[in-house]
Amino acid sequence: DAKTTQPNSMESNEEEPVHLPCNHSTISGTDYIHWYRQLPSQGPEYVIHGLTSNVNNRMASLAIAEDRKSSTLILHRATLRDAAVYYCILRDYGGAQKLVFGQGTRLTINP
Amino acid sequence: NAGVTQTPKFRVLKTGQSMTLLCAQDMNHEYMYWYRQDPGMGLRLIHYSVGEGTTAKGEVPDGYNVSRLKKQNFLLGLESAAPSQTSVYFCASSYSGTYLYFGAGTRLSVL
Repeated sequence: DAKTTQPNSMESNEEEPVHLPCNHSTISGTDYIHWYRQLPSQGPEYVIHGLTSNVNNRMASLAIAEDRKSSTLILHRATLRDAAVYYCILRDYGGAQKLVFGQGTRLTINP
Repeated sequence: NAGVTQTPKFRVLKTGQSMTLLCAQDMNHEYMYWYRQDPGMGLRLIHYSVGEGTTAKGEVPDGYNVSRLKKQNFLLGLESAAPSQTSVYFCASSYSGTYLYFGAGTRLSVL
């Protein structure tokens, strides 16, 4: 499975945008980029995923570099509820149907 | 609609005891997964299943067995519990492997 690299922790202020980076230099052509987040004492929840083009949904935006070796999860206006661990995961749609989580980025939101 | 239900929520075992964790989903999902999460760490995939009657090994399968006799249930067994298996166990299910729905977790302590 291709690996991802994320900062261990980040901090931001409430109502400001947050940009969470992810490096995946060994990504293959069939790897989709998935983001999940885990709120305190809960199981992870799906945030967004994409292949090549930037993606938007009600929770966040995903910006994918042209060479696909990095991506950025964007929370447009962070709230205290967005404090969580964010996981960037590569999933090979041509291979086994599994998601392998890394260490993630712990996001702290200051009031 | 209960989603993904894990039983039990908490358990304390002595070294060498056995137990079975039950995961039940009511969304008619094909894929089911068992992860473990150690304190301050990301999730690690133990075993997974892509359909009734099938199972496959994940990243850390040693010391665990699984069964998927019914589509809605995925059982995780510990034959002889060890302190190293103290962790929070999460079950997840998915229709296509894209959107994973996680349960609330089972906290297991092995003394």
